[in-house]
Amino acid sequence: DTAVSQTPKYLVTQMGNDKSIKCEQNLGHDTMYWYKQDSKKFLKIMFSYNNKELIINETVPNRFSPKSPDKAHLNLHINSLELGDSAVYFCASSPTGGRDGYTFGSGTRLTVV
Amino acid sequence: GESVGLHLPTLSVQEGDNSIINCAYSNSASDYFIWYKQESGKGPQFIIDIRSNMDKRQGQRVTVLLNKTVKHLSLQIAATQPGDSAVYFCAAPSGGSYIPTFGRGTSLIVHP
Repeated sequence: DTAVSQTPKYLVTQMGNDKSIKCEQNLGHDTMYWYKQDSKKFLKIMFSYNNKELIINETVPNRFSPKSPDKAHLNLHINSLELGDSAVYFCASSPTGGRDGYTFGSGTRLTVV
Repeated sequence: GESVGLHLPTLSVQEGDNSIINCAYSNSASDYFIWYKQESGKGPQFIIDIRSNMDKRQGQRVTVLLNKTVKHLSLQIAATQPGDSAVYFCAAPSGGSYIPTFGRGTSLIVHP
């Protein structure tokens, strides 16, 4: 059983398109996150949701919109994709407060052409 | 906010040697630190954590050392194996939210 699952694993799309990445966790965690990892492996927080409520929104273009229909799901919708959006996007979850570690999904490699 | 960084982007070792990966952090109020391992094509996996009331914590073949005076922590891997080849991240919470800030990662390459 996959604890944090993301779909799709790979996504290739043209500039200007709108795409979504889905994330689900079956760990019963209250907090979920989206991270972006660039080609140099730098891992940067984008959003954090606790019990469906946004608690962290780092400096991310408003073309990125997270949606949490329930606390087990945090989807990422991206409008008007740009070349610079190409990266690996990771979903993660943790118990509230995050002091007991995080569980990451296996990532979605987004390539914008 | 917190800033964390690993000292070397790449570390090459021979199989069987001990590996030491170093990390510096900026916020002296940070009280919780985590090490993650990221294998190729996978998400980061939790290895070990340490709280600021400790100087050392041991796991299976791994030891984390924390030096709060110089704001430095290290991950030591004993008898490094090819399966240890991965990118290693240290992370420290940012502000009061406990959302970790990650450094760039150190790529550990283990030569047979």
